[in-house]
Amino acid sequence: AIRMTQSPSSFSASTGDRVTITCRASQGISSYLAWYQQKPGKAPKLLIYAASTLQTGVPSRFSGSGSGTDFTLTISSLQSEDFATYYCQQYYSYPRTFGQGTKVEIK
Amino acid sequence: EVQLLESEGGLVQPGGSLRLSCAASGFTFSHYAMSWVRQAPGKGLEWVSAISASGGNTYYADSVKGRFTISRDNFKNTLYLQMNSLRAEDTAVYYCAKDGEAARGLDYWGQGTLVTVSS
Repeated sequence: AIRMTQSPSSFSASTGDRVTITCRASQGISSYLAWYQQKPGKAPKLLIYAASTLQTGVPSRFSGSGSGTDFTLTISSLQSEDFATYYCQQYYSYPRTFGQGTKVEIK
Repeated sequence: EVQLLESEGGLVQPGGSLRLSCAASGFTFSHYAMSWVRQAPGKGLEWVSAISASGGNTYYADSVKGRFTISRDNFKNTLYLQMNSLRAEDTAVYYCAKDGEAARGLDYWGQGTLVTVSS
């Protein structure tokens, strides 16, 4: 199975900060990578697919990049509603593994 | 509007069985692959199983292979997960999720249902 490793596991940031989360695949997955946001007690929400394509309705402050094994999720200016846990997922092959998550907390 | 509504989970004894269902509406169910994803209390997301649009292909995480069976009824617009030989480590919120168009990840999710395996 392809292992997905996110970093950092958690961090604190302030509203307005630019934040970057990294996701690394244990083998090449082309651009078959999605990013999800999850808030406590809620289902995950798809933010980005194909590594860099914004899902309809997702604010443009979110962006994704990368291909192969290294990927990033960037929030250009953190808003209060962005404090959540973020997960990457590869869908290059089965089993479709998730990263362990990155929790973004308020500083 | 796409809706995915999971059936109620519940408390099951170790070694027991439970079948989850997920009723889909708002899209042409038979055109999309579907997945189950779970989340143990306080933990991250774990992909569990997927099924192709026709139901002809199924996929499982190693942790559930041989114990769980995914299926679908495209006439009833319903996805199922039959869980047998349940273990304490299967305790989690289980989400059903819809595959997006042509490699777009999981674009819609149900609200989740809690399955607790305990004596």
